[in-house]
Amino acid sequence: AQKITQTQPGMFVQEKEAVTLDCTYDTSDPSYGLFWYKQPSSGEMIFLIYQGSYDQQNATEGRYSLNFQKARKSANLVISASQLGDSAMYFCAMREGVYYGGSQGNLIFGKGTKLSVKP
Amino acid sequence: KAGVTQTPRYLIKTRGQQVTLSCSPISGHRSVSWYQQTPGQGLQFLFEYFSETQRNKGNFPGRFSGRQFSNSRSEMNVSTLELGDSALYLCASSFDGRSDTQYFGPGTRLTVL
Repeated sequence: AQKITQTQPGMFVQEKEAVTLDCTYDTSDPSYGLFWYKQPSSGEMIFLIYQGSYDQQNATEGRYSLNFQKARKSANLVISASQLGDSAMYFCAMREGVYYGGSQGNLIFGKGTKLSVKP
Repeated sequence: KAGVTQTPRYLIKTRGQQVTLSCSPISGHRSVSWYQQTPGQGLQFLFEYFSETQRNKGNFPGRFSGRQFSNSRSEMNVSTLELGDSALYLCASSFDGRSDTQYFGPGTRLTVL
């Protein structure tokens, strides 16, 4: 079974509007971390935002925020005021065992969502 | 602080050859992980090195190997290349590889003909 599911293969958003990219995850480990990365056409994976499973508040980093709903096992990325440079692939990823050092270390990635920002 | 660097950026090889890719982590980072990205399989974990030791390994055949040097630089080697090895190979570094964020390099795009 997939551990990270991104149901939107592609999305369009108008410049300056907000957009939400969906991510659901599956784990029985209570100690995990969720990450979002951006991958432009150049190929480099750019770290955007992190949410730990025990964090009380939703993470925010500039125009990026994470809508973390633990009971629903969802960690949606919200990008406010979209810019043309936001056009890229976006990947949700998870690492288990982050709090007690039991993590295997590797990230488990979803299939990604291709975001296109229209002028 | 300089980011993760990978060399070469592009490679073209033929079936049966072998290839070595290099990754220099962010200064101070001791963990280096390698991932393979293909259109069909997405991003898959290859292996992780920490303090010159392989600490974790994904589900790839033995043709894929790696090593890490005392300065934390890492290399991965693929022997007897197959067409299916064509992919973007991404390297990521972090301080401890367990609880902190992994930062990725620009990748090496390998084409096997």
